[in-house]
Amino acid sequence: QVQLVQSGAEVRKPGSSVKVSCTASGGTVSNSAIGWVRQARGQGLEWMGAIIPIYTTAKYAQKFQGRVTITTDKSTSTTYMELRSLTSDDTAMYYCARSPTPHWGDKFDLWGRGTSITVSP
Amino acid sequence: SYELTQPVSVSVALGQTARIPCGGSDMGSKNVHWYQQRPGQAPVLVMYRDNIRPSGIPERFSGSNSGNTATLTISRAQVGDEADYYCQVWDTTTAWVFGGGTKVTVL
Repeated sequence: QVQLVQSGAEVRKPGSSVKVSCTASGGTVSNSAIGWVRQARGQGLEWMGAIIPIYTTAKYAQKFQGRVTITTDKSTSTTYMELRSLTSDDTAMYYCARSPTPHWGDKFDLWGRGTSITVSP
Repeated sequence: SYELTQPVSVSVALGQTARIPCGGSDMGSKNVHWYQQRPGQAPVLVMYRDNIRPSGIPERFSGSNSGNTATLTISRAQVGDEADYYCQVWDTTTAWVFGGGTKVTVL
């Protein structure tokens, strides 16, 4: 049974970058899409971007264009999300989630447990 | 950009029916997915493509979508159903979009 295992919590200073990983344990994500969703404390879910590993094609929410990059390492079934120029507004829980088909628009049927990112001086 | 609108909160008496609306332009033409998120946990898919329940989701959960509103219905509500619920669609210009979320309270 596939699980999405995310990297551990991070603390960063304003202006710096962070890179979070998401590894499919017990399976592969080659025939799927991996999305990244964040949630500030007490707030709703916000889609940031996604990648289809077999095509290495990524899409990003307009809000994050130019500041986020999603990449994938098919050999290790790991997807990465790098967010740059961090501010305190980026303090949130970051989730990776799987869409079970290699197409845009499908549901997210499997979620990681989340990675906490704190941006503080 | 495409937007989805949900009420901030919905209350339901124990054993009664809760209906959670999700509004958006021409919703009936889109596939709507729903997620349940309990405090401190990751979201869980509870309904997809308007009205299909994933394996393991009770039959008490049902969905519909028509016109400009999709609805997630929870019948015979239980204390364990207390959570935040989010609708989601794919829009060709905005990509994945989430509603703002609805907090369901079982009284």
